[in-house]
Amino acid sequence: SQQGEEDPQALSIQEGENATMNCSYKTSINNLQWYRQNSGRGLVHLILIRSNEREKHSGRLRVTLDTSKKSSSLLITASRAADTASYFCALNQGGKLIFGQGTELSVKP
Amino acid sequence: GAGVSQSPRYKVAKRGQDVALRCDPISGHVSLFWYQQALGQGPEFLTYFQNEAQLDKSGLPSDRFFAERPEGSVSTLKIQRTQQEDSAVYLCASSLFQGITYNEQFFGPGTRLTVL
Repeated sequence: SQQGEEDPQALSIQEGENATMNCSYKTSINNLQWYRQNSGRGLVHLILIRSNEREKHSGRLRVTLDTSKKSSSLLITASRAADTASYFCALNQGGKLIFGQGTELSVKP
Repeated sequence: GAGVSQSPRYKVAKRGQDVALRCDPISGHVSLFWYQQALGQGPEFLTYFQNEAQLDKSGLPSDRFFAERPEGSVSTLKIQRTQQEDSAVYLCASSLFQGITYNEQFFGPGTRLTVL
C-alpha cells in the first residue's frame, strides 16, 4: 500500500500537554500534507511539507519529515480542547491524495 | 469567500436506488476531486477532474459509480443501484492550479450517504 500509516491510532492527553503523531509511508513522495477533521465536519488542511524540507512550523504546529526513514511527525504544542479531532497525513501521488487511517486525538480540559 | 459546498448533506437511499451527489467547487478552481470516507477510515480517492476533463477515475469502485463535470465547474457523482457497502461520506475537494505537484486541496463538508 502507498498510503501513510499513522501512529498511534488514538491519543488522549490533558489540555496544555503536547501531542505527537507519526506517519510512515512506503513510496517516494513530492510532498506530504497533514489534515484535521473534526467530528462531522470536513477536512481542513493544516500544513504541507515538501520532500526537500526537513521541518516546518505553523503556529502551534511543527511538522518534520525524514525521507530516509520515510516518516513524518506532527507535533501540537500546548494543546487545547478545541484540538480534539482526527488527524490524517496524506501523500501526494500525481495530484491525488492518499490518506492514512488517521490518529484520533482527544484533549481533555 | 465561499468554500466548497456539497449537497445534499445527508442522503438516505433504499438499496437499488440511484443517487446523485453535487459538488460546487471554489470559483476558479481548476482541479476537482472526489473521495469516499468509510466510518473510522481515512478518505479514499475516487476520481479527479481538470476543468471538464476526467483525468483519473482509477478509484471508482465499480461501474455503478459515475462522475461528471460538464462545464468545468459543478460536478456530480452518481451512484446507480446503490448497495449497503456504498454507505459512506463522500467528500469533494478543489484546488486552484493545474499543476499537480504542490497543490492544497480545499474540502467540502461531505455528503453522508446511508443505504438501507
